[in-house]
Amino acid sequence: AQTVTQSQPEMSVQEAETVTLSCTYDTSESNYYLFWYKQPPSRQMILVIRQEAYKQQNATENRFSVNFQKAAKSFSLKISDSQLGDTAMYFCAFMKGDSNYQLIWGAGTKLIIKP
Amino acid sequence: DVKVTQSSRYLVKRTGEKVFLECVQDMDHENMFWYRQDPGLGLRLIYFSYDVKMKEKGDIPEGYSVSREKKERFSLILESASTNQTSMYLCASSSPAGAVDTQYFGPGTRLTVL
Repeated sequence: AQTVTQSQPEMSVQEAETVTLSCTYDTSESNYYLFWYKQPPSRQMILVIRQEAYKQQNATENRFSVNFQKAAKSFSLKISDSQLGDTAMYFCAFMKGDSNYQLIWGAGTKLIIKP
Repeated sequence: DVKVTQSSRYLVKRTGEKVFLECVQDMDHENMFWYRQDPGLGLRLIYFSYDVKMKEKGDIPEGYSVSREKKERFSLILESASTNQTSMYLCASSSPAGAVDTQYFGPGTRLTVL
């Protein structure tokens, strides 16, 4: 069975700093997808970034980028120039390529950006 | 933009009551999901549906049932609510069938069972 582990329950950084959230996963699959979702306080969960396992290049979306280490089964999220609006719960999630679209979720990391 | 709406943001029910949580999406998505979210546990899948009248159990289906009579609507039913079902319930949808795609979430329903 697949598992996703986020080892940092809570983090806080100053505005404009760079922060990295950790995620490791365990799978024997070769075809899979990885996601970072963001859940701001009292607001809806939204996708931040996704990575296909077959792609060697790390995904990037504006200030958000990932460090995908397939051999190490690590998928960390880097937020550059952090903003107050980045304060949220961040969830790492895994999906098998043939999974019927089921996501396996980590426990989440609460990120607080301080002014 | 995809919009996923849930019938209530907050709900308080008594033990033993039958509870209906409704989810509606407006983008003709084939797939719909019900999760519960608990602190320290992330999201756990209760049920999902890949088509009208089709459903599959997720990781924690016990005590829940679902109904999907129309493509846009997916209902979660707690047949006899219990205190251990106090939680945040999230609905999500995705499309297209046959391809991996983003799941779009509703705002959630925080259910308290007394």
